[in-house]
Amino acid sequence: DTEVTQTPKHLVMGMTNKKSLKCEQHMGHRAMYWYKQKAKKPPELMFVYSYEKLSINESVPSRFSPECPNSSLLNLHLHALQPEDSALYLCASSQGWGARNQPQHFGDGTRLSIL
Amino acid sequence: QKEVEQDPGPLSVPEGAIVSLNCTYSNSAFQYFMWYRQYSRKGPELLMYTYSSGNKEDGRFTAQVDKSSKYISLFIRDSQPSDSATYLCAMGLTQGGSEKLVFGKGTKLTVNP
Repeated sequence: DTEVTQTPKHLVMGMTNKKSLKCEQHMGHRAMYWYKQKAKKPPELMFVYSYEKLSINESVPSRFSPECPNSSLLNLHLHALQPEDSALYLCASSQGWGARNQPQHFGDGTRLSIL
Repeated sequence: QKEVEQDPGPLSVPEGAIVSLNCTYSNSAFQYFMWYRQYSRKGPELLMYTYSSGNKEDGRFTAQVDKSSKYISLFIRDSQPSDSATYLCAMGLTQGGSEKLVFGKGTKLTVNP
């Protein structure tokens, strides 16, 4: 079992639905990340939060909206998604600022299918 | 030239073989180097992490980094069927107070009993 927990594990939604993906870590990490991974491809970075502030947005469409309510939680709000957004969405965390060069730890992801 | 190059394989070996996985990179700003293992329908699992040139050993796994040649390797000794997975190299640097990773494409490994 990983120390980064993601829910739900699977999600099927229509293009007009609104849903949220959730991520939680209890390692005291201060940086959290959202990645998108398509089949047979490496993870692609979407967003980075450092100390609950958005520090990197990799030009992600506005139909994806991240939120970091506190240092342990990270959400990804989804609205009006397209079929090409079907993918595995991974959350990761690392120690963050002041703990230089610390690796990221990943959850097992949410497998999202858009109908 | 991509920042990180990794042969996607697939690679198929018999049980007990020594496996060598490799990545090259072009950005000398990368500060640390990792290998992740990803089983089907799971997230990447951190296997090895190092920030200096040289070898680092953990059980059957050895990570090797050569910063002068911009080359990293992962060796798996006495490979087992349970090692069958996709192996991703990743290079990291600190940016904006957080750690940014660049992944290789991943190498799919099958270890046959």
